[in-house]
Amino acid sequence: AQKVTQAQTEISVVEKEDVTLDCVYETRDTTYYLFWYKQPPSGELVFLIRRNSFDEQNEISGRYSWNFQKSTSSFNFTITASQVVDSAVYFCALGGNNAGNMLTFGGGTRLMVKP
Amino acid sequence: ETGVTQSPTHLIKTRGQQVTLRCSSQSGHNTVSWYQQALGQGPQFIFQYYREEENGRGNFPPRFSGLQFPNYSSELNVNALELDDSALYLCASSFGGGGITDTQYFGPGTRLTVL
Repeated sequence: AQKVTQAQTEISVVEKEDVTLDCVYETRDTTYYLFWYKQPPSGELVFLIRRNSFDEQNEISGRYSWNFQKSTSSFNFTITASQVVDSAVYFCALGGNNAGNMLTFGGGTRLMVKP
Repeated sequence: ETGVTQSPTHLIKTRGQQVTLRCSSQSGHNTVSWYQQALGQGPQFIFQYYREEENGRGNFPPRFSGLQFPNYSSELNVNALELDDSALYLCASSFGGGGITDTQYFGPGTRLTVL
């Protein structure tokens, strides 16, 4: 069975602060993919990144960066110099080669960025 | 390129009724997945359709059923509605038959309220 844990249910920061959202996963699959999605108040899940289990290279995209550590089964997401527009619920998700085409989502972290 | 669209946006039903939700996939995508997101939780996988057939199912009872049409659009049908069916229903489209390498792109969702 697959499981994704986002221990931080809610985080509040002041604009321009850096913030890291934690994601820990469990899977028995040898091949798997990890995802981050952003859900603004409108409700639509916006795709941010996909990372496969064979690629532990960290990735940076503008103010966003991701740290994948297979040894600790973690895939953490950092926003540098946060902005009010970053306020949303962020979900980490896992897909595996034996998962029957489904994504398993964590419970989400609500990020509030105050001006 | 048009994104994933869903209709209706909101829906109110009473217990025992039946409901049909609709989804149009992103252009170029041939696979549709449906998720249920209860308030304050992460999305839960319902099922996926590829080539007009169910291609994976989560832990949902048979009263949740679906269809995919030749143009890749899809319907989610729920019979004998229960109060716990109140949720945001998200449709996601992808290309390639639902392998775990496929990134799923989500629509804005349909919010269903069961009274």
